[in-house]
Amino acid sequence: ETGVTQTPRHLVMGMTNKKSLKCEQHLGHNAMYWYKQSAKKPLELMFVYNFKEQTENNSVPSRFSPECPNSSHLFLHLHTLQPEDSALYLCASSQEWTGIYEQYFGPGTRLTVT
Amino acid sequence: AQSVTQLDSHVSVSEGTPVLLRCNYSSSYSPSLFWYVQHPNKGLQLLLKYTSAATLVKGINGFEAEFKKSETSFHLTKPSAHMSDAAEYFCVVSPGGFKTNFGEGTRLFVKA
Repeated sequence: ETGVTQTPRHLVMGMTNKKSLKCEQHLGHNAMYWYKQSAKKPLELMFVYNFKEQTENNSVPSRFSPECPNSSHLFLHLHTLQPEDSALYLCASSQEWTGIYEQYFGPGTRLTVT
Repeated sequence: AQSVTQLDSHVSVSEGTPVLLRCNYSSSYSPSLFWYVQHPNKGLQLLLKYTSAATLVKGINGFEAEFKKSETSFHLTKPSAHMSDAAEYFCVVSPGGFKTNFGEGTRLFVKA
């Protein structure tokens, strides 16, 4: 185990539903990330939080809404998703060591939008 | 801009034979480079990292990678493949800070 947990592991939701993904890290890191992993595409960085402040938002549609209440917890709120949003959503955390951001990943949430 | 190219989408080896997964990078200055492995239905696990110290980097599970600036390469190798090595491998470049650029991945198949 990497010290990063994600719940739920699997989620099926309709396009009109609202759901949330949760990530928790037990490593004492200060930065947390959301990635989207779709079949046959490179990992896409969605959001980065550093000390609870959002530092990166890679043009993610507003139907994805992140929340970082503290350095250990990260949420991704989902609403009115599209079928193409079906993917594996990965959370990661990191702690800077001399400028090197080595990331530790959770197991992911497999999301299916019907 | 920094990017990585993983030269093979699939690699197939027999158990006990060497593994070579190729990665080229582009960078305007000295980058940090990583290799991650992802087993089915699992998250990514760090195998090794290059951070401008030794050019030959040793990682977990017998993997190693050599940073070659002249060739802009960071290939991943292992002397002898094991069935448990079957997974997807990602080469990653980081310019520093929180940005990371992942390669498209190389799926490694290991035949008995």
